[in-house]
Amino acid sequence: EDKVVQSPLSLVVHEGDTVTLNCSYEVTNFRSLLWYKQEKKAPTFLFMLTSSGIEKKSGRLSSILDKKELFSILNITATQTGDSAVYLCAVDQAGGTSYGKLTFGQGTILTVHP
Amino acid sequence: DADVTQTPRNRITKTGKRIMLECSQTKGHDRMYWYRQDPGLGLRLIYYSFDVKDINKGEISDGYSVSRQAQAKFSLSLESAIPNQTALYFCATSDPLDNTDTQYFGPGTRLTVL
Repeated sequence: EDKVVQSPLSLVVHEGDTVTLNCSYEVTNFRSLLWYKQEKKAPTFLFMLTSSGIEKKSGRLSSILDKKELFSILNITATQTGDSAVYLCAVDQAGGTSYGKLTFGQGTILTVHP
Repeated sequence: DADVTQTPRNRITKTGKRIMLECSQTKGHDRMYWYRQDPGLGLRLIYYSFDVKDINKGEISDGYSVSRQAQAKFSLSLESAIPNQTALYFCATSDPLDNTDTQYFGPGTRLTVL
């Protein structure tokens, strides 16, 4: 059975802290791993990762994939209260009708206090 | 205007009632999805459709049915609602030619079954 597991499930930090969110996966025919941010509404896309060791960056957020150890991390530096959200990890699979069908992790609830 | 819209946005109903949730999109995407989100469980796929003539069950399709009336419309029905179907429901779309593999989510429908 395909599985995506995120940790921690929740995290409380203060502004300025750096956080690392984890996502491990067990899926057949891995194609890509995606990170989403969900505030009090629909998830919005952050990153897509397909290759090991290549860091994706967007401002204070960065992410990297390890296809050998089957995990990804999402780093947020100098956190701000606006980073408070649920961060979702999802895996897409290659081939046939599996392609385009995302399997999501449980999400990590990040709370950033002033 | 939003690219992916869902109606209704909130619905309270009683056990045994038939409910239909509707999704429309103006993105021109062939692929559409229905997910439910429960606290601590992330997003779970109910049904997906890769084109108008294609309907596939996701991981939790029992108790649900769907209809793909047109490329732009994908409806989710609960034939006889039960309390454990209380959840936040998201519709999403994707384009197989999109290099980011991402899905674009509607604003969600919060359903409460009493």
